[in-house]
Amino acid sequence: DVKVTQSSRYLVKRTGEKVFLECVQDMDHENMFWYRQDPGLGLRLIYFSYDVKMKEKGDIPEGYSVSREKKERFSLILESASTNQTSMYLCASSRLLAERYEQYFGPGTRLTVT
Amino acid sequence: GDSVTQMEGPVTLSEEAFLTINCTYTATGYPSLFWYVQYPGEGLQLLLKATKADDKGSNKGFEATYRKETTSFHLEKGSVQVSDSAVYFCALNSNTGNQFYFGTGTSLTVIP
Repeated sequence: DVKVTQSSRYLVKRTGEKVFLECVQDMDHENMFWYRQDPGLGLRLIYFSYDVKMKEKGDIPEGYSVSREKKERFSLILESASTNQTSMYLCASSRLLAERYEQYFGPGTRLTVT
Repeated sequence: GDSVTQMEGPVTLSEEAFLTINCTYTATGYPSLFWYVQYPGEGLQLLLKATKADDKGSNKGFEATYRKETTSFHLEKGSVQVSDSAVYFCALNSNTGNQFYFGTGTSLTVIP
């Protein structure tokens, strides 16, 4: 059974803290993605990676960075958390030639920044 | 650029009613089209997909047909159940890259 796991389901952090969200997939997928999900806005792509140490900015990269040191792991970093980063964060993975293949999603991390 | 537009919700139906959620897309080339479902407190799961024009994706009683002439991929189910209550997302992946584009989601509530 394919699996994408995220390190936390719920997280509460203070403004200014550095926040790490971890994602691990066991499908040997080349592509990994980070989205944030907000009511009325759907899913918005933050960053994606198509290989180890490779990354591409998505639609809303400001305030975020990512790290992919191993194929199975993709981390999202909030360098200095702010209240407008309170959201649901979803990680996904897919095979490299992704146009014919679906994305597999993790359960999400609901982050609250106070 | 590529994009997906789906009907706004929320949608409330009685059990056994017919469901349609509209989805239209804009894309260059020949994208693949997907419907995802998100149950409360969970991530997205693939519901069905179609990779070329006139393909019909189906799963769990849901169907959607890839209509290139109308650039649409409407989701239908003949008889909804309470357990179908969820948020449904239409998505596409163009053949020009590895990015997916999602609609804003349609919340469905089915009442007994």
